[in-house]
Amino acid sequence: AQRVTQPEKLLSVFKGAPVELKCNYSYSGSPELFWYVQYSRQRLQLLLRHISRESIKGFTADLNKGETSFHLKKPFAQEEDSAMYYCALRLGGTSYGKLTFGQGTILTVHP
Amino acid sequence: SAVISQKPSRDICQRGTSLTIQCQVDSQVTMMFWYRQQPGQSLTLIATANQGSEATYESGFVIDKFPISRPNLTFSTLTVSNMSPEDSSIYLCSVDGLAGVRSYNEQFFGPGTRLTVL
Repeated sequence: AQRVTQPEKLLSVFKGAPVELKCNYSYSGSPELFWYVQYSRQRLQLLLRHISRESIKGFTADLNKGETSFHLKKPFAQEEDSAMYYCALRLGGTSYGKLTFGQGTILTVHP
Repeated sequence: SAVISQKPSRDICQRGTSLTIQCQVDSQVTMMFWYRQQPGQSLTLIATANQGSEATYESGFVIDKFPISRPNLTFSTLTVSNMSPEDSSIYLCSVDGLAGVRSYNEQFFGPGTRLTVL
């Protein structure tokens, strides 16, 4: 069965410091990976997806199939980055569309 | 993008009663899903709401407890039946695949319904 692991439940950094939120996955199929973010009192929203290789709000994530990882990185964290971050794996085949979420990481960026 | 609304936004219910949650999308979508987020936990998929046919449930979830309807491509309901305090969670609907539009591989989420069972 597929699994997404985010080893850090809490992560604290100071403003301007680099930040990396870890995500590892296990899936027998071809993975589609996403990072979702939930700011305080807002709904869950997509931050970025591996397939588009884009950078959103300064965040990037590279899919490493060898290490089965999809870590989220930002070189200089900002206070407004404080939020809950979820890594998610999208299934394919007959289960297309279903998302499996990691446990989430609460990022706090201190001034 | 798709705009998704859910009703109610929150409710407090008595043990043994049932609550129906509505999910409305402003455009036709191919897939609709229902997730549960228990306190301090991540999101867990309950079922896929299929238009015109029975929902497809994930392991650990059954139709008698979580009946789902999807009468058309823009609307779905989830009922939490015979509730117990363990059902206290946030319930979210999500949509994927805007009908008639090239897929951007993005799943949109509703604001969630916060349910407390006493």
